[in-house]
Order: sequence, then structure tokens, then C-alpha cells
Amino acid sequence: GDSVTQMEGPVTLSEEAFLTINCTYTATGYPSLFWYVQYPGEGLQLLLKATKADDKGSNKGFEATYRKETTSFHLEKGSVQVSDSAVYFCALSNDYKLSFGAGTTVTVRA
Amino acid sequence: DAMVIQNPRYQVTQFGKPVTLSCSQTLNHNVMYWYQQKSSQAPKLLFHYYDKDFNNEADTPDNFQSRRPNTSFCFLDIRSPGLGDTAMYLCATSSLITYIGANVLTFGAGSRLTVL
Repeated sequence: GDSVTQMEGPVTLSEEAFLTINCTYTATGYPSLFWYVQYPGEGLQLLLKATKADDKGSNKGFEATYRKETTSFHLEKGSVQVSDSAVYFCALSNDYKLSFGAGTTVTVRA
Repeated sequence: DAMVIQNPRYQVTQFGKPVTLSCSQTLNHNVMYWYQQKSSQAPKLLFHYYDKDFNNEADTPDNFQSRRPNTSFCFLDIRSPGLGDTAMYLCATSSLITYIGANVLTFGAGSRLTVL
């Protein structure tokens, strides 16, 4: 079945540092890929998405590129802020439902 | 603002005492989902409604039931909660013309259930 594997956390960074969270997937066909973010005490919010190979999703300074050859969708941000502290989930959709990775907790210190 | 609202946000119940969690949406989305998220784990889909059609995941325990009386509301009923059912329960919605595509879900803030 479809599955998502993402880098284990927790990740602790200083403000303005570079952030990368690795995500790889296993799926049949051509899934859509997503990054969701969960701030403390809140539900999940869509951060960005990509629907086909070589698409780049971007939002709020975050980027991820759909790499079919490496079955990856790594999340990057060049300069993190304290407000980026959250849990980040990589996910794929092959039909009506999302399959999530285990989540990566990111803490950014001032 | 259009949104997905879950109630209650926090619920404590006794082992074996039935509990109902509610979800309402103002998005007029035709698909509604219930996910279970245990501590430090990925959300796991329990079931979803496509309009009035109920779709249960194969590994969802019989203890978990759902009702969708209208487009706006969906309920999660846990008939006899066990200690292992302590989790965050997330409701989500989406609008799909078909089942295939870039299915973007809108999530509520979640209901945190503790079973003692």
C-alpha cells in the first residue's frame, strides 16, 4: 500500500537557520504530495502541495519539489523563524484519502 | 469565516463509557473524514463520508461508529472506549467532484479524548 517515510525529529534550530525535512514515499501510480503543518493546540493546515513530477510547491518561504526519480518531496526553508515551530507532516494522496508520515517536530529558538 | 469546528475540544471519559464527538462545517464540502492521531504518531483514517455514503477503513475497530445527519454535521461515536482510544480525533472535509485528484483537506482543531 501507499506509505510515507519522513525524517525523525525532533529538530531544534536557531532563528535564521536553514531547515530541511526529508520525505520519501511509496505509491502506485501518480500520487499528489503535500506538506501539512500543525501548530501547538491546533489542527493540521495545508502548507504546500505538488500534483505531478517536477512540480515545486511553495508557501510562506517553504518549498518542496516532487521528485519522481527519487520518490521524494523534501521540505526546505532558507531562514526559519520562531513562529515556524510546529509539527510538519508529509502526506500523499492517490485517491480520496491522505496517507501521512509520522511527523517531524521542529523547534526554532530565538 | 468558513471553517471546520469540532466539539468538545477536550473530553475525559471513563473506561467503557460511551462518548460522542461532533464536527460541523460551513464549507459545504461533500466529503467528511475522521482521523485518529495518537501521541507522536501520524493521523490514521478511521472512515469518511462521500455525501451520505459511509466508507469504513478495513482496520477501524467496530467500537467506532459515525453518523452524518446532514451535509454540515458529522459525529464520531465511541461505544465502549478503552484506554488505547486516548488520542486526538481530527475531523476534516474536502470537496471532490471525483475521488481522484489533488485532494486538499481542511481540518478542524481536533478533539482531545482521554480515557481513564
